[in-house]
Amino acid sequence: GAVVSQHPSRVICKSGTSVKIECRSLDFQATTMFWYRQFPKQSLMLMATSNEGSKATYEQGVEKDKFLINHASLTLSTLTVTSAHPEDSSFYICSARDPPGAYYGYTFGSGTRLTVV
Amino acid sequence: KQEVTQIPAALSVPEGENLVLNCSFTDSAIYNLQWFRQDPGKGLTSLLLIQSSQREQTSGRLNASLDKSSGRSTLYIAASQPGDSATYLCAVTQGGSEKLVFGKGTKLTVNP
Repeated sequence: GAVVSQHPSRVICKSGTSVKIECRSLDFQATTMFWYRQFPKQSLMLMATSNEGSKATYEQGVEKDKFLINHASLTLSTLTVTSAHPEDSSFYICSARDPPGAYYGYTFGSGTRLTVV
Repeated sequence: KQEVTQIPAALSVPEGENLVLNCSFTDSAIYNLQWFRQDPGKGLTSLLLIQSSQREQTSGRLNASLDKSSGRSTLYIAASQPGDSATYLCAVTQGGSEKLVFGKGTKLTVNP
């Protein structure tokens, strides 16, 4: 089945620095990827939809300048948390739409635990 | 606006028991419904996908049903095992949209 690889799995950074998270679709092309944020004991909140070759679409309330999304190729989307602050500490997960077929759902990465100190 | 609700929020059962997790959604105009499993600190693993035209899907000990008109889905787990302990999430896709709308999940604990 489709596999989405997300790196790093954990990152600790100092307040004020930037962190980049990568999301790769393995063995299939993903023109659209999705970035979610998950708070403790909460469900996933969609942050933005990443479109290959064009600007990302952000959900209401998500700061575009803080969460920079780049989808430069059909297999890679990146999320950069700029000028990170402790309140940005969270679990970030990406997903991609499965390639067309009998099982046309979504595949998720393994997530990134970001801790800003 | 689509809302997805999962009941119960948490469930603890002894090993071997059959159990049912519930998911309801407010807007029946869905494209599909997907059940996921999430282990602590991990990403989501897809379990079953039901297209809007389907009534159920089965995979091993798992069976998911969909009643689109009433806005309900159930995930049935047969002969539960401690390894089934995880949070189970239900999500729907609206027709015309690629966005997934998630419920808050049911945290399942299967005791040996």
